[in-house]
Amino acid sequence: DAGVIQSPRHEVTEMGQEVTLRCKPISGHNSLFWYRQTMMRGLELLIYFNNNVPIDDSGMPEDRFSAKMPNASFSTLKIQPSEPRDSAVYFCASSLLSTGILYQETQYFGPGTRLLVL
Amino acid sequence: TQLLEQSPQFLSIQEGENLTVYCNSSSVFSSLQWYRQEPGEGPVLLVTVVTGGEVKKLKRLTFQFGDARKDSSLHITAAQPGDTGLYLCAGGGRAGNMLTFGGGTRLMVKP
Repeated sequence: DAGVIQSPRHEVTEMGQEVTLRCKPISGHNSLFWYRQTMMRGLELLIYFNNNVPIDDSGMPEDRFSAKMPNASFSTLKIQPSEPRDSAVYFCASSLLSTGILYQETQYFGPGTRLLVL
Repeated sequence: TQLLEQSPQFLSIQEGENLTVYCNSSSVFSSLQWYRQEPGEGPVLLVTVVTGGEVKKLKRLTFQFGDARKDSSLHITAAQPGDTGLYLCAGGGRAGNMLTFGGGTRLMVKP
């Protein structure tokens, strides 16, 4: 079974350019997360979707960042315009939210997109 | 805001040594997870603990959830170079299935 797929794996761009990161979650999962990881700030949650609907976007840094999930098998994170401080590794993770007495929110991470903005 | 603090942030030890990593918070979590991340890859789940006082063992790794479900520890016995990586704790219980991640402990085990 394929895990979470992210593309591209590496992206180098110049300041001011638009960057689009893509994610295909694990089939059957109903939750999708976008994270940003840097040495200084660690792993930060940017946005969380459940059933393709954005539930919490309080971690999105500013209006330059936007995320969409048009269907259950695809999501994008867009940065426009990009800035050097956006350089980081961006991870997409998916999970299956289930209800009940006990549920475990295991998140399955993709390999990440390493973004460098010059 | 729920926060998880991990200590130490960095740890460099020799093969065969034992170590303990701590994950602390002032908040109560419904579950606590430990992930390991290797260079160039995403974090991978090691274990989930859900009951206060729970202890789980995974080969040479022992995980404990505090009685009050506010803290956790990871103990590695006889560390090996293959244990090298970034260890992240994550607390559950937020809306939906969001997790709160700690800052991570970067472990290097030298042969």
